[in-house]
Parts: sequence; C-alpha cells; structure tokens
Amino acid sequence: QLQETGPGLVKPSGTLSLTCAVSGDSISTTNWWSWVRQPPGKGLEWIAEIYHSGNINYNPSLKSRVTISVDESTNQLSLQLTSVTAADTAVYYCARSAAVGFDSWGQGTLVTVSS
Amino acid sequence: DIYMTQSPSSLSASVGDRVTITCRASQTISSYLNWYQQRPGKAPNLLIYAASSLQSGVPSRFSGSGSGTDFTLTISSLQPEDFATYSCQQSYTTPYTFGQGTKLEIK
Repeated sequence: QLQETGPGLVKPSGTLSLTCAVSGDSISTTNWWSWVRQPPGKGLEWIAEIYHSGNINYNPSLKSRVTISVDESTNQLSLQLTSVTAADTAVYYCARSAAVGFDSWGQGTLVTVSS
Repeated sequence: DIYMTQSPSSLSASVGDRVTITCRASQTISSYLNWYQQRPGKAPNLLIYAASSLQSGVPSRFSGSGSGTDFTLTISSLQPEDFATYSCQQSYTTPYTFGQGTKLEIK
C-alpha cells in the first residue's frame, strides 16, 4: 500500500512537498518508485522516478523544479516541486513503477496552488 | 517525448456491448504499452501490461493487442462497473507518457 500526505494548499512561487509512505513492500527492493500527477479533468503526467540506490529519471519538462528522494529507514518516498504556479494544481499520486507499468498506486492527494 | 493518442475521447455503450479503444504512439514502442482504468475520484488501476498481458485480478473480459505503434483495448461484454476512463501509457522510454484518456459512459 502507498499513502500520500502533504499540504493541500500551496502559495504561488512556493514549494510543494509530499511524502508517500510505503507499506507491505520494502522501498529497497528491485522496484522503481514514481510520482504521477493529474490536473483536474485532465490526463495523467509522469513526474519522476527513483531507485533506492539513488538513480533517478525525470520528466524533462519538470526536471529543473523537482527533487525526488527515498528514505529507506522510514520506507518513504518524497517529492518537492519548487516555484509552483496554478498550473501545478493537481492530484499527486505515488506509484510503484516497472517496465510493465505502474502496478500499485496511492489514493492520491489534491494539491491546490492559490494565494 | 513519445506522444500517445487515444481514440475515441469518449464513448457511449450499453451493458453487454463489446467495445474497443485505440491507442497510437508517435514512434515505435515495441510492446511497452499498458492500459489503466480510472473511476471518478480514484487512482488508476493497471489492467493490461506489455500490450496483451492481463494484470492479476483483472477480469478476462478485458484484453489488449498490438505492437509497434498501434494498440487496442477490448472489453468483450461491458459490465456496469466498467464505466470509467481508460488510459494507455508507454513504458518504452522515459519520460513515460499517457494518452489523454477515453471516457466510457452508459448509453
């Protein structure tokens, strides 16, 4: 199971910070872990993925603003997105990713960027 | 980036109907194509991976086919719980990309 937590409201130009708690699986296994977002009424957008060794792949469209990390001691995944605007308003999901798709997802958390 | 285009964007059908949704990639992705179902307010759920493999626990009325650039998702006999949005996703290369979604509605 995956569970996202974080503030539901972030001010423009601020930093969005989310955590994903992973249970029933070790974040240190042979899996990649991703963040995916979905603006209201729109399609899914992959943000980035990380392997526990620290290898990271980014969506180039967001790379300059994204920090993704894992904490093996707490079995958690984290996301930071800087300089947010209204366009970053979305439901943010963490997911276990593989070459055969995202096979496990959190329930998602809505983050609204507004003053 | 690899662009994924789904058709149709929306579809009305009745319980018991057979429906097909198409996904086209802007370049070849071999069989690295996955399908998801998403109900309102819920996270996506993986249905089909590697173009034609049924994810564990998914009913056999769902099937997928295709390779290269053209793929299809077929639901052989629609059930009430199948009315949802379906999205394709390529896992051939990063950045992973999704189709815009097909909303399947009750006629």
